[in-house]
Amino acid sequence: EADIYQTPRYLVIGTGKKITLECSQTMGHDKMYWYQQDPGMELHLIHYSYGVNSTEKGDLSSESTVSRIRTEHFPLTLESARPSHTSQYLCASSDWGDYNEQFFGPGTRLTVL
Amino acid sequence: GQQVMQIPQYQHVQEGEDFTTYCNSSTTLSNIQWYKQRPGGHPVFLIQLVKSGEVKKQKRLTFQFGEAKKNSSLHITATQTTDVGTYFCAGKVVNNNDMRFGAGTRLTVKP
Repeated sequence: EADIYQTPRYLVIGTGKKITLECSQTMGHDKMYWYQQDPGMELHLIHYSYGVNSTEKGDLSSESTVSRIRTEHFPLTLESARPSHTSQYLCASSDWGDYNEQFFGPGTRLTVL
Repeated sequence: GQQVMQIPQYQHVQEGEDFTTYCNSSTTLSNIQWYKQRPGGHPVFLIQLVKSGEVKKQKRLTFQFGEAKKNSSLHITATQTTDVGTYFCAGKVVNNNDMRFGAGTRLTVKP
């Protein structure tokens, strides 16, 4: 079944640790996105990609980095986690074109102690 | 800066009352999408509007796209507790690269 997956769903980690949040989609979408969202609040676009080897920073500055080596995979990495990184991270994908909806993954809730 | 403005930020209603959220842009949008995010969940696509003045309905939900394609609204008639959540609009500015989300309207419904 075509879907978008995120792992882990929940992560509690200490300050200074390196973390990678995984996002994979099986829909063959070219476009992928990472959003940062505090519970029930605004969606902040932090990274996006329009295809393999394409990555761009979003509207909200973030210390995280992303890579897009395969179409289906768009991991997000934090080299040194801090308490200010505590948030929910949502991955999304969409087909190419102007009129396609975004499909969201279930999100990763990150807590940095 | 934010290209798509959404109001109100919060709305509390009694079950059975109507609810409306508004989305506005200072520039023309090529299309507008609406999403719903239940508490603890992720945004889920509801509908897309493309044509000037377009109106679409989904049961108790009515979606409108303004004649100038700069604003949109979502109206829920006779709210139910299942309508609780945050409603986001997302618009694509003409000649811009991608969709931008509004800040969302968080709806709570008192039984």
